[in-house]
Amino acid sequence: ILNVEQSPQSLHVQEGDSTNFTCSFPSSNFYALHWYRWETAKSPEALFVMTLNGDEKKKGRISATLNTKEGYSYLYIKGSQPEDSATYLCAFRASGTYKYIFGTGTRLKVLA
Amino acid sequence: KAGVTQTPRYLIKTRGQQVTLSCSPISGHRSVSWYQQTPGQGLQFLFEYFSETQRNKGNFPGRFSGRQFSNSRSEMNVSTLELGDSALYLCASSLKPGRWNFGAGTRLSVL
Repeated sequence: ILNVEQSPQSLHVQEGDSTNFTCSFPSSNFYALHWYRWETAKSPEALFVMTLNGDEKKKGRISATLNTKEGYSYLYIKGSQPEDSATYLCAFRASGTYKYIFGTGTRLKVLA
Repeated sequence: KAGVTQTPRYLIKTRGQQVTLSCSPISGHRSVSWYQQTPGQGLQFLFEYFSETQRNKGNFPGRFSGRQFSNSRSEMNVSTLELGDSALYLCASSLKPGRWNFGAGTRLSVL
């Protein structure tokens, strides 16, 4: 059974702080890793698709890195803002399947 | 362009009943996936359909079934509802594998 874990489970930071969280996934048979942001009462929104070891993606103040050899991805938020408050999900896909396995998410709360 | 539409948004059923949830994907998207989210759990994969064929299936009992129509619209059915089936059910459609566009979900409460 493939396991995708995210840590921490929840996080409270002050406005302006930078923060990061982790997604761990199986290091064998890697195909792709996706990050989503899920705001309360909205639909999950795609942030990044990462496919190559060493990938770094950036979207505004949010960036992500990927290490497929050791099986982890980091999501960084620089200068957190209250509107960044959301649950951040990662989803792993192994090669040879179309199935995506989601982590349980990191719930971020940015305090003004 | 219209997003993924799920109906109904909220549903209350009693144990033993059955329920059908509907998902209309973004126009042109042929792949539709269904997920269940319960408190404390991540999104649990139910199944994926592509061009009317079930391409993948998660580890759910046979009470959970789905189908996809020729216009890519999909339905999910749960028979003999149990209390533990209370959850948010999300549908997502995609043009490319993994680039999921999610609907707002159907929140099912089983009493």
